[in-house]
Amino acid sequence: DTAVSQTPKYLVTQMGNDKSIKCEQNLGHDTMYWYKQDSKKFLKIMFSYNNKELIINETVPNRFSPKSPDKAHLNLHINSLELGDSAVYFCASSQDEQRTLSDTQYFGPGTRLTVL
Amino acid sequence: RKEVEQDPGPFNVPEGATVAFNCTYSNSASQSFFWYRQDCRKEPKLLMSVYSSGNEDGRFTAQLNRASQYISLLIRDSKLSDSATYLCVVNILHGSSNTGKLIFGQGTTLQVKP
Repeated sequence: DTAVSQTPKYLVTQMGNDKSIKCEQNLGHDTMYWYKQDSKKFLKIMFSYNNKELIINETVPNRFSPKSPDKAHLNLHINSLELGDSAVYFCASSQDEQRTLSDTQYFGPGTRLTVL
Repeated sequence: RKEVEQDPGPFNVPEGATVAFNCTYSNSASQSFFWYRQDCRKEPKLLMSVYSSGNEDGRFTAQLNRASQYISLLIRDSKLSDSATYLCVVNILHGSSNTGKLIFGQGTTLQVKP
């Protein structure tokens, strides 16, 4: 009964490959997010979707393409992987668009991506 | 200048000690503030929201100074289980729909020793 789940947990791949990470939340939340945490531990938002609609798109290379088939799922597809893409990718969800103090984001366990 | 700045530490303290973490933010339009906790190789989890008047949750006290753009977290009577990284987080509303965006600090690492 995990609230926010991600698969896979670990992903090791070669440069140039294409890979996907899946995220699902069973909290009934309307908004989902992708974050990247680099080797220096900075956690930065990449994308946010509300009810399948893209609402935040930070300065992310267009090799990264999020897809939200329904409001409970937000997948991340990465084309032509580069060494610098190695990081931990966290999915998160919140009830609303994080407008208020009471709107909490719940994070998935993370996907540790290593590009060789 | 980073949008949210924290001393990365590590802070090494004995059990029972009181420890304080500070954080400054650069965007005066920041609307709401939080402390998250992240254990090693785990996801961040909300520790507490920070209210304008300050708030306490058990051994944890958070303070906000909007004029100085400064947030603090005080942990009293430290436990071994408090060892983790504490992330200072600000929420900025943007866009025509006032969507919130969380900006995370680098985190401050706390190690509580027996």
